[in-house]
Amino acid sequence: AQTVTQSQPEMSVQEAETVTLSCTYDTSESDYYLFWYKQPPSRQMILVIRQEAYKQQNATENRFSVNFQKAAKSFSLKISDSQLGDAAMYFCATNTGNQFYFGTGTSLTVIP
Amino acid sequence: NAGVTQTPKFRILKIGQSMTLQCTQDMNHNYMYWYRQDPGMGLKLIYYSVGAGITDKGEVPNGYNVSRSTTEDFPLRLELAAPSQTSVYFCASSRGQGAPETQYFGPGTRLLVL
Repeated sequence: AQTVTQSQPEMSVQEAETVTLSCTYDTSESDYYLFWYKQPPSRQMILVIRQEAYKQQNATENRFSVNFQKAAKSFSLKISDSQLGDAAMYFCATNTGNQFYFGTGTSLTVIP
Repeated sequence: NAGVTQTPKFRILKIGQSMTLQCTQDMNHNYMYWYRQDPGMGLKLIYYSVGAGITDKGEVPNGYNVSRSTTEDFPLRLELAAPSQTSVYFCASSRGQGAPETQYFGPGTRLLVL
């Protein structure tokens, strides 16, 4: 089975500042995807960003970007210009075929 | 557009009781998934389905059963509920066209087994 490790159980950031959430993973696959999901207090899981492992270019979605280091098996999420609505649990995930594996999450607090 | 819906939102079961968690999606997605999320943990895959009539086990299938008779519905059955099955259950779906597609999640069902 794959493993996904998020070493920061909690993080905080000042509103309008930038924060980076860490994620490392272990896989024997050569073709896989990486995901960041956001889970606000409503518990709904929302996709933030997706990266295809064979692509060198880091994915970006508006204020969200990733730093994908394939050799190091690292996939960090950068949130720029943090907003109060970014406060949530963030989960990193990867897949083996049709099976997906999630980390234990990082709780992000945004300080006004 | 409802997306993925789950019922019930919350349920209390006694040890040994059985129940079915319902999941329906209206996006005509081929793939559907059931996850559980224990407190302070990430999601773990219970079962998944790549199409009507096809199901397969995930990481933690013991104590659960599924069926997929239609594209839209993917119910999860708990037989003989145990306290270890206290968790939040999420259903998800994706198009499933070759490469793993983005999953769309339902709002979750919180289950308490006492």
